[in-house]
Amino acid sequence: DQQVKQNSPSLSVQEGRISILNCDYTNSMFDYFLWYKKYPAEGPTFLISISSIKDKNEDGRFTVFLNKSAKHLSLHIVPSQPGDSAVYFCAASARGYGNKLVFGAGTILRVKS
Amino acid sequence: DGGITQSPKYLFRKEGQNVTLSCEQNLNHDAMYWYRQDPGQGLRLIYYSQIVNDFQKGDIAEGYSVSREKKESFPLTVTSAQKNPTAFYLCASSKDRVDGELFFGEGSRLTVL
Repeated sequence: DQQVKQNSPSLSVQEGRISILNCDYTNSMFDYFLWYKKYPAEGPTFLISISSIKDKNEDGRFTVFLNKSAKHLSLHIVPSQPGDSAVYFCAASARGYGNKLVFGAGTILRVKS
Repeated sequence: DGGITQSPKYLFRKEGQNVTLSCEQNLNHDAMYWYRQDPGQGLRLIYYSQIVNDFQKGDIAEGYSVSREKKESFPLTVTSAQKNPTAFYLCASSKDRVDGELFFGEGSRLTVL
């Protein structure tokens, strides 16, 4: 049973435009969400996170939006750059309950120049 | 520089052989983890450890074993009982809580011939 779902296996975007990566979750106990970025043959690196007490968190070109009622979060990258081409993983946990992180299957982002 | 070191980066083994993947961290993190990544799937947790001399099974522990004799080290043994061991293995650590932000190593690709 996948508790964290990234329904788009891949996304292709033109350089300079906005990239929107989506993530849905089923466990209403999740209250902390993270995005990781992964290049081929490397380990994932932390990108941005959001707590359930917020609905938006911004860090430079990256913004994460959280819609708790819809159990949905999204990562916006503006403007997209070719170096953003990577696999993006969404992850969630229930911090108040000491649960481990649960990862989605990932979305491959390709930014075309 | 602080970080997580996994070795070897690439490993080939014959069916029926056990193999041990090394993971060392110098971040002074309490918690360490082993994940497995397969194409089209998210990162799946094999084992994790919150403190020395203690570890817990993750979602796919069958066919694997770990030890945590030192804070810095968390080796993973892929045994011959693991039915489908060919995969990309990622080691990670976090400062304290099991659901804290993870720092990943560069991964080890195991291929069973």
